[in-house]
Parts: sequence; structure tokens; C-alpha cells
Amino acid sequence: GAVVSQHPSRVICKSGTSVKIECRSLDFQATTMFWYRQFPKQSLMLMATSNEGSKATYEQGVEKDKFLINHASLTLSTLTVTSAHPEDSSFYICSASGSSGGVDTQYFGPGTRLTVL
Amino acid sequence: AQSVTQPDIHITVSEGASLELRCNYSYGATPYLFWYVQSPGQGLQLLLKYFSGDTLVQGIKGFEAEFKRSQSSFNLRKPSVHWSDAAEYFCAVALNTDKLIFGTGTRLQVFP
Repeated sequence: GAVVSQHPSRVICKSGTSVKIECRSLDFQATTMFWYRQFPKQSLMLMATSNEGSKATYEQGVEKDKFLINHASLTLSTLTVTSAHPEDSSFYICSASGSSGGVDTQYFGPGTRLTVL
Repeated sequence: AQSVTQPDIHITVSEGASLELRCNYSYGATPYLFWYVQSPGQGLQLLLKYFSGDTLVQGIKGFEAEFKRSQSSFNLRKPSVHWSDAAEYFCAVALNTDKLIFGTGTRLQVFP
């Protein structure tokens, strides 16, 4: 199946700093990418949907100025957590969708564990 | 409120035993239905999905799931579990084709 990578897999940062997480589709062109957040023992919560070359669409309650999403190419999307605080510590997962752009073609990355001290 | 429920947080089975993981949804219409498996260090992998048609869906790794409209359920089953099936399993629904709503997951532990 299609492969989606995330980098880094794990990051620890100090409170107040910004962290960038990359999501890459390795063997297909991703017209749409999704960013999820997963709390321990909880489900994945969709944060935002981004289409290549367009502004991301954020879910209700997600601060767009805090979680900056860029989808500049068909193989790369980035999530930047700005001025991170301990409550932003979480597991962040991206997924990428191919030409149909729908949920039935979503491929998930392995996730990035963010710890804010 | 619209929701996806996986009642079992943690299930333990012996290798070779049968398995059923429960999933119930609460939506006005029949959504698209999915089961994913999450293993440490790996991305979520799609096991199977139901959009329409035959209510018994066959997936990868020997899994199947049955959609029961009357019960708003989409339970995942496997007749004989292998130790490699130990993982976290997520049921998910989508009302249209652009957003997945996930359940809270069921952690499966397999004893030899």
C-alpha cells in the first residue's frame, strides 16, 4: 500500500518554542492531507484538512494561529505548533489522500510524539 | 449527539481463540464504516470498510465485519487470533467522504 512518513517521530521541546512536524507521501501524490491529534487512551481527533495550494480548513475549537498547516506540494504537508505549552503535548498523526481526496483512500503516517516541558 | 462507541477498552484473548470487537454508532443516516489497526511505530492500517451492498465485509489479515442497521453496529470479528494481531483497533465512521470520526479504540492483548 501507499506509504506516508512523518518526521520527527518524537520531539521534546521547551515551553514557548515552536515545533515543526513534516508529513510526506512517499509514493503517491496527496491532494488532501489531514492532521489528527490523539490523547492517551482516546480516539484520534481531526484537527484540520488541507488541500495542496490552499489554506487549511480547521475543525471547531482548533486554533489556526497556534497550529499552522502548510501544504505547499503534493507530497509534503507541515504542522507547526507555535509557542508550544505542556498542554500541547500529544501524539500527532497525519494522513494523506490520493486523487479522489476521500476518506476511502486515506493513508496514515506513524505519528509524532510531542512532549513540551 | 453523533458518536462512535467502542465499549471495550481492553480485550485479552488466547492465541487461536475467536475475537469480536464491538462498535456502535449514533448518526441520523447510515455512515460509511471503517476498522483500522494501529501498531506501535506504524501508521493506522485499514482493515476493511463498508459503504453499501453486502453487509458482511471481508478485510485483510483474516478479519471480517458485519453491518447491522437495526443495531447501529459494525462489529469486527476474526475466527482465530494470532499473536501478531495484538494492537489497538479503531472503528471509524464518515458521513460523507471527507472526514473520519474515530471511536476511542480497543486494545487487544493476545496470550500464547
